Amino acid sequence: EAQVTQNPRYLITVTGKKLTVTCSQNMNHEYMSWYRQDPGLGLRQIYYSMNVEVTDKGDVPEGYKVSRKEKRNFPLILESPSPNQTSLYFCASSLRVENTEAFFGQGTRLTVV
Amino acid sequence: KQEVTQIPAALSVPEGENLVLNCSFTDSAIYNLQWFRQDPGKGLTSLLLIQSSQREQTSGRLNASLDKSSGRSTLYIAASQPGDSATYLCAVRRNMLTFGGGTRLMVKP
Repeated sequence: EAQVTQNPRYLITVTGKKLTVTCSQNMNHEYMSWYRQDPGLGLRQIYYSMNVEVTDKGDVPEGYKVSRKEKRNFPLILESPSPNQTSLYFCASSLRVENTEAFFGQGTRLTVV
Repeated sequence: KQEVTQIPAALSVPEGENLVLNCSFTDSAIYNLQWFRQDPGKGLTSLLLIQSSQREQTSGRLNASLDKSSGRSTLYIAASQPGDSATYLCAVRRNMLTFGGGTRLMVKP
């Protein structure tokens, strides 16, 4: 089954403790991206990657890192999480950046205390 | 910077009504526009994708139109059902996907 898989689905952590949210797709997509969704602010793009070893900042990249060493994986790294990073996070992928449909993972609800 | 606006923010209708959700965007240099559905606390389900060269797309009771020059898209839902209750999001794609704030739809039995 074609899908985008995020792990974990739920995470509660403490301020400053490094964490990684994994994202994997099995569709051989070139383009992958991360979003956060907050009440009243909607969905905002954090980082995106057009292909292996190619990443770029979205609208809200501060406090986040990403890497794209393999085509199927695009982990989101929070080196020193803070409470303002408490949010619902989504990973998405599409075959290419242009003219193709975006598929989303089920989301990761992160709480930083 | 691209900005996407969805009107109305919330809508409540009785079952069976036909309804229209609106999406507008400020920069017409887009690759495509995609409509999504999101149930509370859940992920995004893709409903329709309209390429920049297309005018409309249809899937079942859903029809989406795109007028790129005026920066507008509409999602038409025919014969609404309680199961259509959800938040509907539009997003435009250039290098990034930029989302509107969504329309929260409630269809009452």
